[in-house]
Amino acid sequence: AQSVTQLGSHVSVSEGALVLLRCNYSSSVPPYLFWYVQYPNQGLQLLLKYTSAATLVKGINGFEAEFKKSETSFHLTKPSAHMSDAAEYFCAVIVGYNKLIFGAGTRLAVHP
Amino acid sequence: NAGVTQTPKFQVLKTGQSMTLQCAQDMNHNSMYWYRQDPGMGLRLIYYSASEGTTDKGEVPNGYNVSRLNKREFSLRLESAAPSQTSVYFCASSTTGTVYNEQFFGPGTRLTVL
Repeated sequence: AQSVTQLGSHVSVSEGALVLLRCNYSSSVPPYLFWYVQYPNQGLQLLLKYTSAATLVKGINGFEAEFKKSETSFHLTKPSAHMSDAAEYFCAVIVGYNKLIFGAGTRLAVHP
Repeated sequence: NAGVTQTPKFQVLKTGQSMTLQCAQDMNHNSMYWYRQDPGMGLRLIYYSASEGTTDKGEVPNGYNVSRLNKREFSLRLESAAPSQTSVYFCASSTTGTVYNEQFFGPGTRLTVL
């Protein structure tokens, strides 16, 4: 069965530091992978998605993710954290037709 | 465009009470979804509707029913609420055409069952 695992339920970085949020997938077929962000008391918003067109995917707000088949990973990065990046981030994989399976989420804290 | 709207925003129920969560989208999307979000578990799919007139079970359908009223509206009903259904419920919608269409989410309904 397809699934995703997010390593680290909480990540804390300083403003201006690199953000690295980890996601590993399990899939017997080429996966379609997503990163969503949830700001406090809001719904989820798509950051970026991997659909096999390119292994390095650029998203909104300066985030990007690299699909690495050899490592079964799709980690999310941002070179320089901003206070406004504080949120919860979810990795997800498509199962079947347009059905998403989400990871448990990683809460990102950014401190001055 | 309002996108995906959900009502109510908050609700407190007693065990055994029933209620219906409403969801509507104005993006002319064919597919709609209901998720629940619990701490440490991410979002889990309850039911989905690939198109008007069809509904299917997701990962955690027990205790819930759904109705795809028309293309715009997709409601979730709890017939006899239980404390285990305390959660935040999200509705989402998407277009069709590929297997990886972006899902657009509503703001959520926070439900507490006492």
